[in-house]
Amino acid sequence: EIEMTQSPATLSVSPGERATLSCRASQSVSSSLAWYQQKPGQAPRLLIYGASSRATDIPARFSGGGSGTEFTLTIDSLQSEDFAVYYCQQYHNWLPYTFGQGTKVEIK
Amino acid sequence: QLQQWGAGLLKPSETLSLTCGVYGGSFGDHYWSWIRQPPGKGLEWIGEINHIGRINYNPSLESRLTISIDTSKTQFSLKLTSVTAADTAVYYCARLTQQMVHWYFDLWGRGSLVTVS
Repeated sequence: EIEMTQSPATLSVSPGERATLSCRASQSVSSSLAWYQQKPGQAPRLLIYGASSRATDIPARFSGGGSGTEFTLTIDSLQSEDFAVYYCQQYHNWLPYTFGQGTKVEIK
Repeated sequence: QLQQWGAGLLKPSETLSLTCGVYGGSFGDHYWSWIRQPPGKGLEWIGEINHIGRINYNPSLESRLTISIDTSKTQFSLKLTSVTAADTAVYYCARLTQQMVHWYFDLWGRGSLVTVS
């Protein structure tokens, strides 16, 4: 099973600033990585797949990068609706698909 | 759209049973998954099934799991036997979509809180 580790656990950012979240895989997952956003009481929402491809209707301020074992999610000019928990997920080894433990982006 | 339902309160050793209805879209073009989230914790993939009944389970849960599908009703179901408090979680059904070499969960149900106590 591939273990996904996200850092930091909590990121405090002011509105309008940039947030950079990290995700590390315990072994290479190539570019088979997705990012999800989850707000309290809601299901996760797909943001990024293929490490860097934005999902449908996702604003351009969300961007993903990386390959192999190191990945980042960058949120430019944070909006109030972006404060949430973000999860990375690998699908390179699909038995099982595995998620990181999440990074909470909170208002500074 | 995915709508899910099932019992929300179970006693230890009972069987968890949830169903997810798929409304709209192409039922046959995707895998259909179950994912759970213990309170305050992260996400755990449980298993998946497609329209011809091909199933994949998380090895950590496989011995207690049954995922089934009813294509006539465009529904799929989850059964987890011998539940304990560790199975307390919000359970989500989700659509797994393939685009070339990429697979992603792009549609989710609203979640069902299942408490074992």
